Amino acid sequence: KQEVTQIPAALSVPEGENLVLNCSFTDSAIYNLQWFRQDPGKGLTSLLLIQSSQREQTSGRLNASLDKSSGRSTLYIAASQPGDSATYLCAVIRGYSSASKIIFGSGTRLSIRP
Amino acid sequence: EAGVAQSPRYKIIEKRQSVAFWCNPISGHATLYWYQQILGQGPKLLIQFQNNGVVDDSQLPKDRFSAERLKGVDSTLKIQPAKLEDSAVYLCASSLGRGADTQYFGPGTRLTVL
Repeated sequence: KQEVTQIPAALSVPEGENLVLNCSFTDSAIYNLQWFRQDPGKGLTSLLLIQSSQREQTSGRLNASLDKSSGRSTLYIAASQPGDSATYLCAVIRGYSSASKIIFGSGTRLSIRP
Repeated sequence: EAGVAQSPRYKIIEKRQSVAFWCNPISGHATLYWYQQILGQGPKLLIQFQNNGVVDDSQLPKDRFSAERLKGVDSTLKIQPAKLEDSAVYLCASSLGRGADTQYFGPGTRLTVL
């Protein structure tokens, strides 16, 4: 059974720092992995999607890496800003079909101090 | 492009009452998902539709939860009767349906069962 873990559950850093969020999964047979952002009282916004054949994806100040063999993914945020404060969730997707299974981690609640 | 619409945004009911949630996906999206997100946890997939057919409802408590997607567009999720542990945010998402592609989430409905 696939389990997705995100540690730490909460993180507070001063503005301007670079930071890394971690995601680990128990079953390496995944199709892709996605990182989402969730603001309080709102739905999820997709940040980056990494196919299982890829090692990383970049968008602006965000960089996500994937190491299937070790069951790990990291989300790197450069030069953090107060607007980056949110909960970050990773999700693994198993299979390529209309019945793909998606399993989320519990998220890391990030707070950027001005 | 309009996003995923959900209503109501908030609902408070007493246990044993019934409740229904509505979702309108992004136009042209074949796949629709309903998730349950309990406070402090990641979303858990309840049911996945491909057009108007169910492709995964393995985690849907079928004794009290039901969902339908008539005509392959809008969808409703119903709980009857509600229990205290059903208190959560119910998220609807949609995707084009081409395999494990990016999901777009609505703002969710926050349900409180007293």
